[in-house]
Amino acid sequence: DGGITQSPKYLFRKEGQNVTLSCEQNLNHDAMYWYRQDPGQGLRLIYYSQIVNDFQKGDIAEGYSVSREKKESFPLTVTSAQKNPTAFYLCASSIVGQAWGQPQHFGDGTRLSIL
Amino acid sequence: SQQGEEDPQALSIQEGENATMNCSYKTSINNLQWYRQNSGRGLVHLILIRSNEREKHSGRLRVTLDTSKKSSSLLITASRAADTASYFCATDSWGKLQFGAGTQVVVTP
Repeated sequence: DGGITQSPKYLFRKEGQNVTLSCEQNLNHDAMYWYRQDPGQGLRLIYYSQIVNDFQKGDIAEGYSVSREKKESFPLTVTSAQKNPTAFYLCASSIVGQAWGQPQHFGDGTRLSIL
Repeated sequence: SQQGEEDPQALSIQEGENATMNCSYKTSINNLQWYRQNSGRGLVHLILIRSNEREKHSGRLRVTLDTSKKSSSLLITASRAADTASYFCATDSWGKLQFGAGTQVVVTP
């Protein structure tokens, strides 16, 4: 079955530590996205990528980094510079349409907590 | 900043009743999308309505869009316990989605 796989489901970070969240898709989608969701709030865009080896900052990119070396993979690193990393992180993908009117497909998220 | 804002924040209904939630936004859009999120899970796409469309149906879901008022509504008819979830509207401007804070819907048997 096609879909998006995020791992791990739960992750704990110590102070001063970088952690990497994995996102893999087998939908053959060109575009991939990372969002952060805080309790009772909507999603905020961290980074997105429309094509391999290219990505753009979203609304809250500070303290995060990404890479897009393969079409299927878009890992997110939460660096020690991110002072409030506790949140639910969601990865999504979509095809890139001419009119940019495409639905996004989401993984089941990674919940990151601080030890 | 959030582009879409849903109303109400929470909604509790009984099975068989209809549920209506609204979304207002501030700037021009290419399309507006509605998503469902079950507790602790990712979002599932429900409906996409383009800026030149006024109404769209999918099964028990009906979405309207009024671009002059910058608002949209999602109607779930004949609700079921399985419809219990949070519902988000997202406005699409050139491929980037801006999500509202969502409406939490609880359907009791």
